[in-house]
Amino acid sequence: EVQLLESGGGLVQPGGSLRLSCATSGFTFSTYAINWVRQAPGKGLEWVSGFGGSGGSTYYADSVKGRFTISRDTSKNTLYLQMNSLRAEDTALYYCAKGALVSFWRAAFDIWGQGTMVTVSS
Amino acid sequence: DIVMTQSPDSLAVSLGERATINCKSSQSVLYSSNNKNYLAWYQQKPGQPPKLLISWASTRESGVPDRFSGSGSGTDFTLSISSLQAEDVAVYYCQQYCSTLPTFGQGTKVEIK
Repeated sequence: EVQLLESGGGLVQPGGSLRLSCATSGFTFSTYAINWVRQAPGKGLEWVSGFGGSGGSTYYADSVKGRFTISRDTSKNTLYLQMNSLRAEDTALYYCAKGALVSFWRAAFDIWGQGTMVTVSS
Repeated sequence: DIVMTQSPDSLAVSLGERATINCKSSQSVLYSSNNKNYLAWYQQKPGQPPKLLISWASTRESGVPDRFSGSGSGTDFTLSISSLQAEDVAVYYCQQYCSTLPTFGQGTKVEIK
């Protein structure tokens, strides 16, 4: 069974840092794109960042470029999101979501984790 | 970035009646090289992560009831629920994955009238 499990969320002050993790199982981690998607309280979905499959390219939304860094550890089948210079508007539930196609970046997101909450507040 | 705009923002439909949600993209999501529309629909129930219902604009995921259908091409798309059931109460999102940076619509809340 394919599973994604996020962790690392919490309360952080503005300007602070946090690292999220997405532990995966049930599929060949290195061959699928995996993404971070966030949802502010009561709001819609916003794609944040993604790590391509076999090619390993990385992608960022303009709203986080230069502040967030996505990475992966294929030995641990885990995706990370290092978040620096956090702002109040980064407060959200952060989901990781798997791309549906082997080796293709342009794919729908077929499996989602339950999310980890990030709150940026003083 | 491709902007996705859904309409309406919310709708209330009687049980057993049809619900229709529209999604419009600011530029075409039809890839000419393979003639596929890079458009997905998701369902999100309260307290749950989104669930992929439809990809490639009209291909239902395994296990999705056939009362859900997707249609459209280019910039205009529709998600239809042919006979609304109580368990279909949710927020529905369209998403394009044609461009390098995927984007979602703002969501449409479906309720029972």
